[in-house]
Amino acid sequence: DAGVTQSPTHLIKTRGQQVTLRCSPKSGHDTVSWYQQALGQGPQFIFQYYEEEERQRGNFPDRFSGHQFPNYSSELNVNALLLGDSALYLCASSPGPRNTEAFFGQGTRLTVV
Amino acid sequence: AQSVTQLGSHVSVSEGALVLLRCNYSSSVPPYLFWYVQYPNQGLQLLLKYTSAATLVKGINGFEAEFKKSETSFHLTKPSAHMSDAAEYFCAVKGSNTNAGKSTFGDGTTLTVKP
Repeated sequence: DAGVTQSPTHLIKTRGQQVTLRCSPKSGHDTVSWYQQALGQGPQFIFQYYEEEERQRGNFPDRFSGHQFPNYSSELNVNALLLGDSALYLCASSPGPRNTEAFFGQGTRLTVV
Repeated sequence: AQSVTQLGSHVSVSEGALVLLRCNYSSSVPPYLFWYVQYPNQGLQLLLKYTSAATLVKGINGFEAEFKKSETSFHLTKPSAHMSDAAEYFCAVKGSNTNAGKSTFGDGTTLTVKP
């Protein structure tokens, strides 16, 4: 059983560009959350998707947007990249919006130059 | 609202010694609490969780944590450290009325194990 898979694993972008990160949840999971983990810090919640809708959002600007597809996979889009967007982006999935356990992927390391 | 404070950004122990990683939380509703481990260049792996059942929670790899409401603490312990325990550890909290995916994390504690 594949766990949470994210692609790509590493990415380098130029300031001002746009980026799309992808996440496939663990089999049987329908809820996907995205986190940003800056170097030396804990993960910060970006937003959560369930039933193809954004259900909850953290304190991130509108440059951060997402999507969830009918097969529960999800994308994170970041527009107008800033140097400060450089971080490890983690996707977590869970079996339902009220489940107490989230499974994390390996993350996508984004570097903005 | 919830928050987590991990006391000590770096902890160093000798192999075979007790591991104690400290976590204090703040929550406006009864909390669910989690400890995760992160190895270099990897995602987070759940060690254990407290969800209002037993206050002493046992997890994987010999770790356990005790929920103390009066102290708003959820410290992680392991009786005997192993070299493979060297990693980054994160404490997280969520309100019992929200999905686990919306958790608030501490800044982490780096555990070093000396031979």
